[in-house]
Formats: sequence, structure tokens, C-alpha cells
Amino acid sequence: AQKVTQAQTEISVVEKEDVTLDCVYETRDTTYYLFWYKQPPSGELVFLIRRNSFDEQNEISGRYSWNFQKSTSSFNFTITASQVVDSAVYFCALRGGDNFNKFYFGSGTKLNVKP
Amino acid sequence: DGGITQSPKYLFRKEGQNVTLSCEQNLNHDAMYWYRQDPGQGLRLIYYSQIVNDFQKGDIAEGYSVSREKKESFPLTVTSAQKNPTAFYLCASSLGPPSSYNSPLHFGNGTRLTVT
Repeated sequence: AQKVTQAQTEISVVEKEDVTLDCVYETRDTTYYLFWYKQPPSGELVFLIRRNSFDEQNEISGRYSWNFQKSTSSFNFTITASQVVDSAVYFCALRGGDNFNKFYFGSGTKLNVKP
Repeated sequence: DGGITQSPKYLFRKEGQNVTLSCEQNLNHDAMYWYRQDPGQGLRLIYYSQIVNDFQKGDIAEGYSVSREKKESFPLTVTSAQKNPTAFYLCASSLGPPSSYNSPLHFGNGTRLTVT
């Protein structure tokens, strides 16, 4: 069975602090895809990044970076020098398993960045 | 610009009434999805469709119905049989399988349904 766990329900930081959002996934498959989404207060989920199971390279995009480690089944997301505009709910998702048509979402981590 | 349009943004209904939420996409995506989000919770899959005139139940399909008569449209009806219909509903689409399994979901802005 596929499962995504985001153990951090809510995190609060002060602007300019670095923050890491954890994502742990479960799957028995060797081929799968991982995603991160941002949900600002407006409600729409915005796609941030995708990673396939064969590519463990970490990725950096501006202040955002992602650390994919198959050995620990984790796909963590770090925001460097956080800003108030980063305040949102962040979701990690897994696509794979016996039904590649389905996406499995974690419960989300609410990030509050205070000025 | 291509995207997904959900309407209306806010919807109010009396208990016992059926209500239909609209979802239209112009991304030429084959697959479309409906998710439900409750306060402080993640997304739960209601229904999804990979091609026109075909759809499958997700994890919480009871009390909901869908149709997929056109590639661009995937309306969701919340029936009176749904016991707790008040929630935030998100429609999404993606490229279809099998060559596009790395395709992410693209989401609409959502419809907030309140039933009293």
C-alpha cells in the first residue's frame, strides 16, 4: 500500500530563518514519483517539484531545495531564508503503486512565517 | 493561458438538495480528478477519470456522482446522500498514462461548499 506521512502539522518560524518540511513515504514499488505542492490561503494547490524514484539528485531552485533519500524513504523540502510569502500549507504526494492513476497525499504541513 | 476553472468559488445549499460543482480545463489533459479537503486535513480522492465516458471511484465516492461527457469537463454532483457535504472541493487534471506518469496534477481554485 502507498502512504505519505507529514508528521509536522504546523511550523512557525521568524522571517529569514531556514525551515525543513519532512515527508516520509511508503511504497513497495521500484518506480514511483514524488511531488511537492504549496497551498496558499487562496486555496489553489501550486505544483513545486516532481522527482522520480530513479533520480536521487537533490535539487535547488532559488531559496527552495529538496533532499530525496531512498534509503530513508524521505523527500524533504527546505526553504532557506524564509519569507512571509512562504506562509502556506505544503503537501507531499506520491504517484505509483498498483494504480498509477492515483496520487497519495500527505496530510500537509502548515508553515507560518512571521515578520 | 491554459488552466482549470472551478465555479462557483462559494456555494451555499440547504440540506437535502443536490448540488453540482463545475470543473472545466483547457489544458488538453486526459485525466481529471475530484478531491475533498476538510479543515486541517489532507486531500481525499472522490472520483477520477482517465478518458471520456469513463470514471472510477476514489476513496470517498459515497454520496457523490460524476460524468465525463467531454474531455474538458468533469462536473461533480454532491447528492443528498452525502452525510457531511460541507467542505472545500478541488478539481485537478493531468496528462494521461502510460507515458505521462511523471505528470503532476494541476489544480483549480476550488469551490467551498456550505450545506446548512
